[in-house]
Amino acid sequence: GAGVSQTPSNKVTEKGKYVELRCDPISGHTALYWYRQSLGQGPEFLIYFQGTGAADDSGLPNDRFFAVRPEGSVSTLKIQRTERGDSAVYLCASSFRARETQYFGPGTRLLVL
Amino acid sequence: GNSVTQMEGPVTLSEEAFLTINCTYTATGYPSLFWYVQYPGEGLQLLLKATKADDKGSNKGFEATYRKETTSFHLEKGSVQVSDSAVYFCALRIQGGSEKLVFGKGTKLTVNP
Repeated sequence: GAGVSQTPSNKVTEKGKYVELRCDPISGHTALYWYRQSLGQGPEFLIYFQGTGAADDSGLPNDRFFAVRPEGSVSTLKIQRTERGDSAVYLCASSFRARETQYFGPGTRLLVL
Repeated sequence: GNSVTQMEGPVTLSEEAFLTINCTYTATGYPSLFWYVQYPGEGLQLLLKATKADDKGSNKGFEATYRKETTSFHLEKGSVQVSDSAVYFCALRIQGGSEKLVFGKGTKLTVNP
């Protein structure tokens, strides 16, 4: 069975541009999570979806970051007016239900020039 | 707040050596504890977990015991293999709280033949 997939695997953009990062969770998983991993650090939580709704968005660093999951499956993380400090690996994870094992995707490596 | 501290890497061992990676935590509530592993070129994978004090998680020859009195969850393996070379992350999640995982910074392990 397919695991969590993320596209693109790499994204290079210029400061000030808008980017979208996509996550396809494991089929049937109701919970979806976004994390951000900077170089030499562990993943940091951004947002958690249960179904279509964002149940916890306390990790989003500011209002330039936004995520959606309109049909309760695929999710898109959107970053407006990108800054160099946004450069990181963005990880997506999914779990069958809340409180269960989170399965991670390979990540999208974002580089803002 | 909630945080995880793990030993700084990198750690370099010879095959069949004994491995310990230290992990301590600070938690505002009662945490579940996890070790995740990231093999080169792959996504994060759950290695083992423990949900209450004195529980021992184990998998693939790795073990970790939940020590509430010392707020620790050290990872051990009696005889490492070259294939164990990876980055290891200790993490916690507060039971009854947010779904988010709080990670340590990771410890890179290299095992030489």
